[in-house]
Order: sequence, then C-alpha cells, then structure tokens
Amino acid sequence: KAGVTQTPRYLIKTRGQQVTLSCSPISGHRSVSWYQQTPGQGLQFLFEYFSETQRNKGNFPGRFSGRQFSNSRSEMNVSTLELGDSALYLCASSSGWLAGEATGELFFGEGSRLTVL
Amino acid sequence: EDQVTQSPEALRLQEGESSSLNCSYTVSGLRGLFWYRQDPGKGPEFLFTLYSAGEEKEKERLKATLTKKESFLHITAPKPEDSATYLCAVHLTDSWGKLQFGAGTQVVVTP
Repeated sequence: KAGVTQTPRYLIKTRGQQVTLSCSPISGHRSVSWYQQTPGQGLQFLFEYFSETQRNKGNFPGRFSGRQFSNSRSEMNVSTLELGDSALYLCASSSGWLAGEATGELFFGEGSRLTVL
Repeated sequence: EDQVTQSPEALRLQEGESSSLNCSYTVSGLRGLFWYRQDPGKGPEFLFTLYSAGEEKEKERLKATLTKKESFLHITAPKPEDSATYLCAVHLTDSWGKLQFGAGTQVVVTP
C-alpha cells in the first residue's frame, strides 16, 4: 500500500516568489492536513481538508493557503515568500476525523524541504 | 492555553539500557494522544494512539502508557536503530485534523 506522497521533495526559492506543494494521500483517505516544521517552532499545524472542505486552520498568515481536489489530493501554496518560511512542509492523511469518531491514525509523508534565499 | 511538554530534550543511552520518555499535557479536552518517531530529514513515523487513561500499547521494544496528565514511552533494551527523535502530540476535542505537538526527545543509542 503506497504511503503519503509529497512533491517536490526539495526546492529553493527567493524572497517574494510563490510556491505550490503537492500531496497525494494514502488511497482511501479523505482527510489531508498540512504542517510546518522548523528547528525553532517544531511542528505547527497549518490546515486540514476533508472532502474538499477546509475544516480547520492554524495560526498562519493569509499567504498560506491550500485546497483539496475531488480525488483527495491536496496542494498548499505560499505567496510572497519570506526568509522565515524556510521549513520542512509535511502532509498527513487519515481515513477521517468526523466528530464523534475515534481519532484513528495519522500518517505523514516525507515532506517538502523549502529553502527561501 | 493547551500545552504539550516533552522531557528530557535529549537522551543518550547505552545499547540495552532501558529508559522512559515523558509527555505531559495540559489541555481542555483530550481525544487522543499520539506518539511518533522521526529520523533526520524524514517525516514522522506513526507509532501509537492512546485514547483513555490506563491504556497501554506495545510495539517491539516500545511501550506507551497514558494517564490523565501524561504519557510515557518506555524503551526496553534499546538498540542503535532506535536512535531518533520521538514526538508526542495531542488531538483535542472539536479540533478536526489538528495535532498539537511537543518539541520532541532526541534519543541516541550507542553500541
């Protein structure tokens, strides 16, 4: 069974540019969430999508956005890049996080390493 | 404010020397507590989810336990391949899809 796939794995951008990262969840998983990992802040939640709807959002500026497609694949976009956006961006998928259900398991991809110069 | 604190920050063990990692939490409503292992340059690898106080789960040399205030990850007779950063995270009620992570414990096991 294939895991969570993220592309690209590495990328370098300059300040002011924008970037789009892609995530393909585990087959059958309908929930996709995104995290930012930095040495100083650790893992920070960005947003979560379920059936193309954003259900939850973390405390990040509006430059960070995302979407989910009908096949559950997801993309996140960061516009007007800043040096502080350099990080490992992780995507995670789950079978579902509906209210009232057990939490289950959440599986992460290998991440996209973004460097902003 | 919801908080997740892991201790120690770093742990150096001899091969075969058992030890425990701690994850304490102060949250408004806990739905589940997760443990992950992360190797350098890779995404976190799922280990366990615990749902209620008193619950225990085991996987090879790892055993996770949960109380109302904290969780422990016990590493029994560790091997060098157990070297990694271990992360705990909480899933809160009414917080779809969001895990709140601790800072992690970096474990190094030497032969």
